[in-house]
Amino acid sequence: DAGVTQSPTHLIKTRGQQVTLRCSPKSGHDTVSWYQQALGQGPQFIFQYYEEEERQRGNFPDRFSGHQFPNYSSELNVNALLLGDSALYLCASSLIDRNTEAFFGQGTRLTVV
Amino acid sequence: GEDVEQSLFLSVREGDSSVINCTYTDSSSTYLYWYKQEPGAGLQLLTYIFSNMDMKQDQRLTVLLNKKDKHLSLRIADTQTGDSAIYFCAEILSYNTDKLIFGTGTRLQVFP
Repeated sequence: DAGVTQSPTHLIKTRGQQVTLRCSPKSGHDTVSWYQQALGQGPQFIFQYYEEEERQRGNFPDRFSGHQFPNYSSELNVNALLLGDSALYLCASSLIDRNTEAFFGQGTRLTVV
Repeated sequence: GEDVEQSLFLSVREGDSSVINCTYTDSSSTYLYWYKQEPGAGLQLLTYIFSNMDMKQDQRLTVLLNKKDKHLSLRIADTQTGDSAIYFCAEILSYNTDKLIFGTGTRLQVFP
């Protein structure tokens, strides 16, 4: 049973560019959440997707957007990258009726130069 | 508020017990979690406890919850070098079950 998979594992982008990160949830899960983990910090909630819609959003600007596909996989898009967007981006999957058990992927390390 | 606080660093000798502490401010916490993060890796769910429980034991791990003091602890018995990692405390609130609120993490270093 594959767990949560994220791609790519590492990425380097230039300020002002756009980036797309991808996540495939654990088999059988229907809900995907995205978190940003800056160096030396705990993860911060970005948003959650269920039934291809954004259910809730954390305190992140509109430059951060997402999408969920019919197969439950998800993308995180960040536009107009800033140096401060450099972080580990984590995807978590769960079942909507068991949202309290979330499983995380290995993350995508984004470096903005 | 939604603050979850942890001490930054803990160093223990191999074979000893480790106790990692966490305090939270919101009494609406329903579930409290411990996650482990090894270098360069994602988060591994270790264990979690529902807010109406005081204690949960799972092999070498013991979680204690003091709701009055809003204090959560994770005890690792017979700590091994493979336990060296960052440990995150996290909570889910009753009025917002969509997101986990994490502490800043405690780096556990195990020395021989």
